[in-house]
Amino acid sequence: NAGVIQTPRHKVTGKGQEATLWCEPISGHSAVFWYRQTIVQGLEFLTYFRNQAPIDDSGMPKERFSAQMPNQSHSTLKIQSTQPQDSAVYLCASSPGGGRRDTQYFGPGTRLLVL
Amino acid sequence: GDSVTQTEGPVTVSESESLIINCTYSATSIAYPNLFWYVRYPGEGLQLLLKVITAGQKGSSRGFEATYNKETTSFHLQKASVQESDSAVYYCALGGDSNYQLIWGSGTKLIIKP
Repeated sequence: NAGVIQTPRHKVTGKGQEATLWCEPISGHSAVFWYRQTIVQGLEFLTYFRNQAPIDDSGMPKERFSAQMPNQSHSTLKIQSTQPQDSAVYLCASSPGGGRRDTQYFGPGTRLLVL
Repeated sequence: GDSVTQTEGPVTVSESESLIINCTYSATSIAYPNLFWYVRYPGEGLQLLLKVITAGQKGSSRGFEATYNKETTSFHLQKASVQESDSAVYYCALGGDSNYQLIWGSGTKLIIKP
């Protein structure tokens, strides 16, 4: 079991460019979560998929951020027109079912730096 | 609102000494809070240390333990004798009724002095 895989591990973009972050959940897990971690805000929930369907995106910034899960083996987080304040570590997690008793397993994160 | 407050780090403890990292929570919109401790070791990703989903119960792992106290809304992490390998950042987290959205504390960096 390779665990949750996130690519790239590090990404540097210029202001105004697009950034796409990839997540491969643990095989057999039906729930995928995205979080963002910054020094100022700490760990923040962004969005959640269950069985590839978007369930809750209440943490996603309304503009420029979007997430998709086109198949059960990967999810993407896309940031359009990146801004310096988007610099953060983006964490992806998966869990067997997304239920109350399920443990979320985290990937190593993608460190995004917007210059 | 719902929130988690934990001991501000860094916390420095000598090897073989005892440790407590405080965690208190507010769960105004959650009927049945679930409580978690996650840990991030240097160079590694976040991983679950222990979880407790029933008030009054105690969770334990790797010599750490934490008791879910509904009366004091606390979930303090304790260890009787720390080791150098325990150096890491520890996060207390609160899960909701559906558990899918975790609410996190700010993290506590633990430094173990040899």
